[in-house]
Amino acid sequence: GEDVEQSLFLSVREGDSSVINCTYTDSSSTYLYWYKQEPGAGLQLLTYIFSNMDMKQDQRLTVLLNKKDKHLSLRIADTQTGDSAIYFCAESLLSGSARQLTFGSGTQLTVLP
Amino acid sequence: DAGITQSPRHKVTETGTPVTLRCHQTENHRYMYWYRQDPGHGLRLIHYSYGVKDTDKGEVSDGYSVSRSKTEDFLLTLESATSSQTSVYFCAISDAPGTASGTDTQYFGPGTRLTVL
Repeated sequence: GEDVEQSLFLSVREGDSSVINCTYTDSSSTYLYWYKQEPGAGLQLLTYIFSNMDMKQDQRLTVLLNKKDKHLSLRIADTQTGDSAIYFCAESLLSGSARQLTFGSGTQLTVLP
Repeated sequence: DAGITQSPRHKVTETGTPVTLRCHQTENHRYMYWYRQDPGHGLRLIHYSYGVKDTDKGEVSDGYSVSRSKTEDFLLTLESATSSQTSVYFCAISDAPGTASGTDTQYFGPGTRLTVL
């Protein structure tokens, strides 16, 4: 079965880099996603990576994928206070009649001034 | 949240009463999903729809039913609400794989906070 795991909390100083890690178990995942959730809001898509890629960079965000170890990471460069939020990783799998997302429990990122 | 609305945004109800949550999209996307979010569990899929009148169960479907009579609306019904259904409910949409949007990325609505007393 699918299981996505993340550490629950991460604190960094403003201006430092943040690295949020995620492990997943199903090697048939096609896409892996990172979503951001601010308090009281829905999930905002940050970025995604296709399973045949190793790395994807999008401005301050870098996603690294290690398929052998089933490990996904999100690096945020020059972390700002506005980056404080919960970050969810998710894997996409075909199940039933649709592709379904399985989410981790989320990592609460706190950016300290 | 663009193109996806949920109503109501907040609701307090009593155990045993029926509750219907509505998700409305203006993107003409084929797939629609209902999730619940609880502390320590991330998001868990309740039901999803792959077309008008086509629905299927997710991981935590017990106690919930859904209906989709037109592309833009997906309703989630709690026939007899229980305190364990107190949660934040999110609707999501995605386009079909292989279409112009490419991926099966899901886009989320703003959520409905439901409290069952």
